Amino acid sequence: DAKTTQPTSMDCAEGRAANLPCNHSTISGNEYVYWYRQIHSQGPQYIIHGLKNNETNEMASLIITEDRKSSTLILPHATLRDTAVYYCIVRVGFRGQNFVFGPGTRLSVLP
Amino acid sequence: DAMVIQNPRYQVTQFGKPVTLSCSQTLNHNVMYWYQQKSSQAPKLLFHYYDKDFNNEADTPDNFQSRRPNTSFCFLDIRSPGLGDAAMYLCATSRDAGQGLDEQFFGPGTRLTVL
Repeated sequence: DAKTTQPTSMDCAEGRAANLPCNHSTISGNEYVYWYRQIHSQGPQYIIHGLKNNETNEMASLIITEDRKSSTLILPHATLRDTAVYYCIVRVGFRGQNFVFGPGTRLSVLP
Repeated sequence: DAMVIQNPRYQVTQFGKPVTLSCSQTLNHNVMYWYQQKSSQAPKLLFHYYDKDFNNEADTPDNFQSRRPNTSFCFLDIRSPGLGDAAMYLCATSRDAGQGLDEQFFGPGTRLTVL
């Protein structure tokens, strides 16, 4: 079973920041938080991951709370192309360790 | 560009007729995965290869088999497809460079229809 809970769906206005929350209250000390997204009829796409520090790359920022029980993925300026299902996954990060995808959050970016 | 390629993108087979889906990668990753994704559901891992070491998920039906003849290629064989096996099949790879450095790269998927 997935170790995370996410809202089923969210809307965001184009050009605004999209903030996608994820709860992972049972996360272990050596588990990373990964974010993927899946645009309709495509394979999932890696976005970002982190252990305990906040992370930023060209796609997004990841904010992890100090107790690591929750995190937020931030898309700073959402575009229509960011409409997708966003998956938050926790795992140790060693080879082959199962990526257990939960149902994710369906983000709709509205014009 | 380095990538994960799946062929065909769409596959139609008949009930009970064996079918093979293929995946190739130019990333030179040592781990390859097969996922099944049914309509409106999240992807579910079927099995993975770490180099030539095959690892089956406990709840993967025996009807599903896999082969990895070399680093670049991996095949998914469905011996006797049933109507319930209609799904998107996703191949993914990862580099296993160390803890937390193994993000997975997914192919576009093959959508299987069973008639």
